[in-house]
Amino acid sequence: RKEVEQDPGPFNVPEGATVAFNCTYSNSASQSFFWYRQDCRKEPKLLMSVYSSGNEDGRFTAQLNRASQYISLLIRDSKLSDSATYLCVVSSNFGNEKLTFGTGTRLTIIP
Amino acid sequence: DTGVSQNPRHKITKRGQNVTFRCDPISEHNRLYWYRQTLGQGPEFLTYFQNEAQLEKSRLLSDRFSAERPKGSFSTLEIQRTEQGDSAMYLCASSWVGLQETQYFGPGTRLLVL
Repeated sequence: RKEVEQDPGPFNVPEGATVAFNCTYSNSASQSFFWYRQDCRKEPKLLMSVYSSGNEDGRFTAQLNRASQYISLLIRDSKLSDSATYLCVVSSNFGNEKLTFGTGTRLTIIP
Repeated sequence: DTGVSQNPRHKITKRGQNVTFRCDPISEHNRLYWYRQTLGQGPEFLTYFQNEAQLEKSRLLSDRFSAERPKGSFSTLEIQRTEQGDSAMYLCASSWVGLQETQYFGPGTRLLVL
C-alpha cells in the first residue's frame, strides 16, 4: 500500500464548476500536509499548506481529517488556468524532512 | 533569479555511462533535498542535507548513486553505470529549517538513458 493515495483522474471539469479531490495517508505520525500543483513538465509548486482544521485561500479550500487520515482540496469557480496535476503531500516533521507525495490527480478545465 | 537552479536541464546518455547533476539552492537555505520523478508518478525522496551533512538516504538510492554538498551550498548527484530504469526527472529542493518550512523546487534535470 502506498503511503499517500490519490485518485489519478483525469478529472475533466467545465469552467466555473466546483471540483474536489481527496487523498488518504497511511502514516498516523504525519504532522504536516500540503497540496502542491505541478504543470506539465514543470516542477511542483506549493499550492496550500494544511496544518490543523483546514485552510482557505481564495477559491481553494483544504481540509484535514486526522481521525480518518485524509485531506481534501476544493476548487470553486474553476478557471482554465487551474488545469494541472495536484499532488497530495505529507511530512512527518512539519515539512523539514522528506516529503511523501501521492501520484497526483490530473485536472483539465474545459472551456 | 533567486530560485533553486539545476544543471543541466536535460541529459541523454548511454547505458553504462556516469552522469552528474548540479543543484544550487536558494542562497540562505540550509537544507537541500533530492527527489526523483518518473512519468505518471509523484516525486520520490532520495536524500537530503542540512548544510554539508547528509542526514537521510532513501532505499531508492542504490550504491550507484552518490550525493554531496561539500561546502553546504550547491549539491551534486552522481549516477554511476546508468541503467535505463534511471530515466526520470531529478528534482532538487531547498528550505530553511524551522517550523513549518516550505520546500522550493528547482526546474529539474530530465535524464534519458538509452
